Amino acid sequence: SQKIEQNSEALNIQEGKTATLTCNYTNYSPAYLQWYRQDPGRGPVFLLLIRENEKEKRKERLKVTFDTTLKQSLFHITASQPADSATYLCAPPLYSGGGADGLTFGKGTHLIIQP
Amino acid sequence: NAGVTQTPKFRILKIGQSMTLQCTQDMNHNYMYWYRQDPGMGLKLIYYSVGAGITDKGEVPNGYNVSRSTTEDFPLRLELAAPSQTSVYFCASSYSHGGFQETQYFGPGTRLLVL
Repeated sequence: SQKIEQNSEALNIQEGKTATLTCNYTNYSPAYLQWYRQDPGRGPVFLLLIRENEKEKRKERLKVTFDTTLKQSLFHITASQPADSATYLCAPPLYSGGGADGLTFGKGTHLIIQP
Repeated sequence: NAGVTQTPKFRILKIGQSMTLQCTQDMNHNYMYWYRQDPGMGLKLIYYSVGAGITDKGEVPNGYNVSRSTTEDFPLRLELAAPSQTSVYFCASSYSHGGFQETQYFGPGTRLLVL
């Protein structure tokens, strides 16, 4: 079965620096991948979606890359701020080939931006 | 728009009891989903629906039932609660045209404790 791996340990970054989070997947080929932010006690909030034919996607200070050869997605936050502190979830589709039949989620990376 | 709403926010059940988790969305989305999130784990898909009257199983459907009689509502039923069903339950919705996945919007979650 497919496996999604994120560095679930806390990642401490100094304010103003770039935070880079990694998502690796195995045993299947997702057609897209989404990233969500989750704050304690709340539901995930969508950030970015990148498709397999896109190498990079940007939104304000956020950037996502998708390398189907390495089976990896990288999520970057530039000029990080303490308000960026949260858990970030990698979420490809449940099945290969994409579709809207639900997502599978990594355990998440807990990001802490220190002032 | 209220988005995705869930009730109750928190519930304690005794083993063997039953309950229904309510989920409503006001965005006219065709797809709706139920996920569970255990501590330190990624969200797991329980059931999903592609429209009124159509539901399908996700990764972890055992012990749960769903129905979708309207576009807006997607209740999740636990018939015989077990301690393994202690978790946080999230409902989500999205609009998909042609089966292509778009953003999922999550509710605030229902925290369930089975003792």
